[in-house]
Amino acid sequence: AQSVTQLGSHVSVSEGALVLLRCNYSSSVPPYLFWYVQYPNQGLQLLLKYTTGATLVKGINGFEAEFKKSETSFHLTKPSAHMSDAAEYFCAVTNQAGTALIFGKGTTLSVSS
Amino acid sequence: ETGVTQTPRHLVMGMTNKKSLKCEQHLGHNAMYWYKQSAKKPLELMFVYSLEERVENNSVPSRFSPECPNSSHLFLHLHTLQPEDSALYLCASSQEGDYGYTFGSGTRLTVV
Repeated sequence: AQSVTQLGSHVSVSEGALVLLRCNYSSSVPPYLFWYVQYPNQGLQLLLKYTTGATLVKGINGFEAEFKKSETSFHLTKPSAHMSDAAEYFCAVTNQAGTALIFGKGTTLSVSS
Repeated sequence: ETGVTQTPRHLVMGMTNKKSLKCEQHLGHNAMYWYKQSAKKPLELMFVYSLEERVENNSVPSRFSPECPNSSHLFLHLHTLQPEDSALYLCASSQEGDYGYTFGSGTRLTVV
């Protein structure tokens, strides 16, 4: 069965520091992988996605993620955190039927000045 | 209007009430989804509609009843809910086969 595990429910960084949010997945079929961001009182917004091809995927707001099949990972990074990056981040994988997404529990990112 | 619009934004209902959540998308997408977001839990997929046909019902209790009258509109009809049904209900749309969902802002439901 498809599943997603996000390591660390809460990550805190200083402004300008590297952001690393971890995501591991389990999938019985070649996965499509996604990162979404949710700001307070809003829906989720797509940051980036991996379907096929290049394993390093660049997204919006300076974020990128690398698909590592051998590690079943899809970690999200950003070289330099900004205060506006504070939000909740969700990793997701396509379900086995390919009809919808299965989400992780989310990681709350806090950025301090 | 653009994107995905959900109404109402907030809803408080008693356990014996009947209410409906509405979702409308203006993106020309042909797939729509309902998710439930509870505190400290992953988003739970409830229903999937593709080309106005329900393709997935993720073991959702019958007190939740979806309706998709056309590709732009999706409803979630609610009746005799329980307090544990209190959550943020999110609607999303996409083009079938492309998982770049566009989400609405959600309806915050409180069952009293």
